[in-house]
Amino acid sequence: KAGVTQTPRYLIKTRGQQVTLSCSPISGHRSVSWYQQTPGQGLQFLFEYFSETQRNKGNFPGRFSGRQFSNSRSEMNVSTLELGDSALYLCASSLATSASQETQYFGPGTRLLVL
Amino acid sequence: DQQVKQNSPSLSVQEGRISILNCDYTNSMFDYFLWYKKYPAEGPTFLISISSIKDKNEDGRFTVFLNKSAKHLSLHIVPSQPGDSAVYFCAAISNNAGNMLTFGGGTRLMVKP
Repeated sequence: KAGVTQTPRYLIKTRGQQVTLSCSPISGHRSVSWYQQTPGQGLQFLFEYFSETQRNKGNFPGRFSGRQFSNSRSEMNVSTLELGDSALYLCASSLATSASQETQYFGPGTRLLVL
Repeated sequence: DQQVKQNSPSLSVQEGRISILNCDYTNSMFDYFLWYKKYPAEGPTFLISISSIKDKNEDGRFTVFLNKSAKHLSLHIVPSQPGDSAVYFCAAISNNAGNMLTFGGGTRLMVKP
């Protein structure tokens, strides 16, 4: 089975621009979660989507948004980019047969650099 | 407020010996715990998990122990191999927060040949 895939792998943007990242989950997985990793804050939860609906949201400003399509693929968008948005953005998928106690499998991440 | 803590930022172990990585948590609603291994610029790789109804789970060279009363878990790697050198994260899921993983800060393990 193919793992979680993320595109693009690397991205350079300038302040004020917006960016869209894409994630394809493992086949059959219905839940997609997004995480941000920075040296200062570590790995932090952004949001989770299940059946095209946002099920959980972390403590990030409204500039961070996402969506999920009927095939479970997900996109996240960051508008009005700031220097502090430079990070590794990780997508994870799980089967979502229950509300919790499920292993999430991560993609390779998208490295975003904001200049 | 850091709900999951890995107090040792780094650990160095000789090849063939045991590696013990520790993790403490404060939220008593956490009921599922996972360990991930991560290389730079890559996504975390799932290693092993444990439910709060158990106190031990074993998978090959990896064993996770959970002490609920102390809110402490540990990952044992026996025997350690140079290929185990990476950053290890513990993570927890709360029974009222869906699939949201709360991560510790990570421990860098170096296994010396």
